[in-house]
Amino acid sequence: EVQLVESGGGLVQPGGSLRLSCAASGFTVSRYYMNWVRQAPGKGLEWVSVIHSGGSTYYADSVKGRFTISRDNSKNTLCLQMNSLRAEDTAVYYCARVPEIHGVVTYNYGMDVWGQGTTVTVSS
Amino acid sequence: DIQMTQSPSSVSASVGDRVTITCRASQGINTWLAWYQQKPGKAPKLLIYGASTLQGGVPSRFSGSGSGTDFTLTISSLQPEDFATYYCQQANSFPYTFGQGTKLEIK
Repeated sequence: EVQLVESGGGLVQPGGSLRLSCAASGFTVSRYYMNWVRQAPGKGLEWVSVIHSGGSTYYADSVKGRFTISRDNSKNTLCLQMNSLRAEDTAVYYCARVPEIHGVVTYNYGMDVWGQGTTVTVSS
Repeated sequence: DIQMTQSPSSVSASVGDRVTITCRASQGINTWLAWYQQKPGKAPKLLIYGASTLQGGVPSRFSGSGSGTDFTLTISSLQPEDFATYYCQQANSFPYTFGQGTKLEIK
């Protein structure tokens, strides 16, 4: 079964750090575009970051310079290192995969597999 | 960044009704648009990608159309399980951006 399971969320003080993990099963993370998407309480979806199958990364301006996306291929896991956390980073964080369509791995097809989400709360 | 504007922000409808949600991009995105359904406390679910291609397992009462800057999601005959929030997302370029969401409520 294709599945993503996030972990690592919790309560952290402003300025603190947290590392989120997303364990994949049923597929190989390194083959796909893998994303982090977040949702603040009562708000809409906000894309955070992506890592390309080739290793390139992109970030939303709101997190650039503070968050780092990475993969651990040996554990088939996606990670998000979050530093200098702010109250506005409080959200449910989802990892999500862009599908392969007709054998083509690209970033244009939306996100078909999502984790259940992990909650990050930044508060003193 | 490409801005995505959805309308309406909320809509009330009855079971069996036909509902259309629109999404407008601030610049052309070809057909690189996805639609999602999200229920409270759950992760989003991909409904449509490429503006009009139904994701596997999604009922055929859902359909999408459009290209360039203007897109629509149509639910032909609402079922009780369709009451949720719907988001569009442009997949043309990074940063990905989402519409603000349309909450579909029971009348």
